[in-house]
Amino acid sequence: DIQMTQSPSTLSASVGDRVTITCRASQSISSWLAWYQQKPGKAPKLLIYKASSLESGVPSRFSGSGSGTEFTLTISSLQPDDFATYYCQQYSGYSRTFGPGTKVD
Amino acid sequence: QLVQSGAEVKKPGATAIISCKGSRYTFSDYYIHWVRQAPGKGLEWVGLIDPEDGVPLFAENFQGRVTITADTSTETTYMELSSLRSDDTALYYCATAYRLGSCSGGTCGLDFWGQGTLVTVSS
Repeated sequence: DIQMTQSPSTLSASVGDRVTITCRASQSISSWLAWYQQKPGKAPKLLIYKASSLESGVPSRFSGSGSGTEFTLTISSLQPDDFATYYCQQYSGYSRTFGPGTKVD
Repeated sequence: QLVQSGAEVKKPGATAIISCKGSRYTFSDYYIHWVRQAPGKGLEWVGLIDPEDGVPLFAENFQGRVTITADTSTETTYMELSSLRSDDTALYYCATAYRLGSCSGGTCGLDFWGQGTLVTVSS
């Protein structure tokens, strides 16, 4: 199985900050990676797919990059609504593994 | 829209069956995935099904314990988890992945999610 790691596990930031979250795969997954945002008590929300494609309706301050084994999610200017937990998910292998999550507080 | 069945309380060793009914979209145009989240923990992928051919795919951790089926006549997907243990206590979500065009293979992520079904395993 392909394993996913994320760093940091927790990130303290302020409104207006540029925030970067890193996701790494245990082997190359090309660009088969998605990013999700989850708030307490809510289902996850798709932000980015195919590593860098912005889901319809998602603010342009969110962007994704990377390929192979290293990926990043960037929030260009953190807004109050962005305090949440972020997960990456690979869908290259047999399994669709999630990363352990990064909490932005 | 995805609407899931209600919360369940089960004893260890029992089987939980959760349903996920789709509406307002073409059922066969989307894979249905199942994802779970234990209390205070991260997301864990359980498996998926292609409603067009009914072929499921499961995470290795769940092989032999999980069954996923799709009823195209009612546009409902079912996930059955057997031999329940206390660590199966979690919120179980269904989610769709568009499978056509540039999203062939469901490569455009999990775009719509159900509200979640809490399964509690306790003696």
